[in-house]
Amino acid sequence: AQTVTQSQPEMSVQEAETVTLSCTYDTSESDYYLFWYKQPPSRQMILVIRQEAYKQQNATENRFSVNFQKAAKSFSLKISDSQLGDAAMYFCAYRTPAGNQFYFGTGTSLTVIP
Amino acid sequence: DAMVIQNPRYQVTQFGKPVTLSCSQTLNHNVMYWYQQKSSQAPKLLFHYYDKDFNNEADTPDNFQSRRPNTSFCFLDIRSPGLGDAAMYLCATSRDLNRAFFGQGTRLTVV
Repeated sequence: AQTVTQSQPEMSVQEAETVTLSCTYDTSESDYYLFWYKQPPSRQMILVIRQEAYKQQNATENRFSVNFQKAAKSFSLKISDSQLGDAAMYFCAYRTPAGNQFYFGTGTSLTVIP
Repeated sequence: DAMVIQNPRYQVTQFGKPVTLSCSQTLNHNVMYWYQQKSSQAPKLLFHYYDKDFNNEADTPDNFQSRRPNTSFCFLDIRSPGLGDAAMYLCATSRDLNRAFFGQGTRLTVV
């Protein structure tokens, strides 16, 4: 079974600074999808960014970008110019290419300090 | 506009009393998921439907069942809730390999 590991249970960042959240995963597949989801206190999961494994270029969405290292099976999320609204639990997720399942890491709780 | 709607937001049930959680979607997505999320833990996939095909995770207890009568609706039935089943239950949908859209969840309390 695929596993997704987030080794940082908690992180904090000063407002306007940059923070990087780590994620590693284990798979024998060559083609798959990776996601970062944000879960604010309201509990609704929101997609932040996604990366297709076959693409070498790292995905970017405004202040959010990823560092995808396929050989190392690493998928970190960088948040630039952190804002108070970025405070949430962040989950890294892996999607199987054929099985449709999403597998989640244990999450990183991000605090943004004013 | 809400796209994945879970009802109710909060559900209290008695130990051992069957309970049903519902999920509906307006996205016409072919895949629907049920996740269980306990406090400070990752969402755990219970099962999913790909169209009408039901896919159960190997470690999902038999106490949990699901029904999908049509594309829009999916139900989670807990036949005999135990105290350990108290959790947030998340419904999500996706179209093939695209992103998953999540509902706001149902917080289940077992008393």
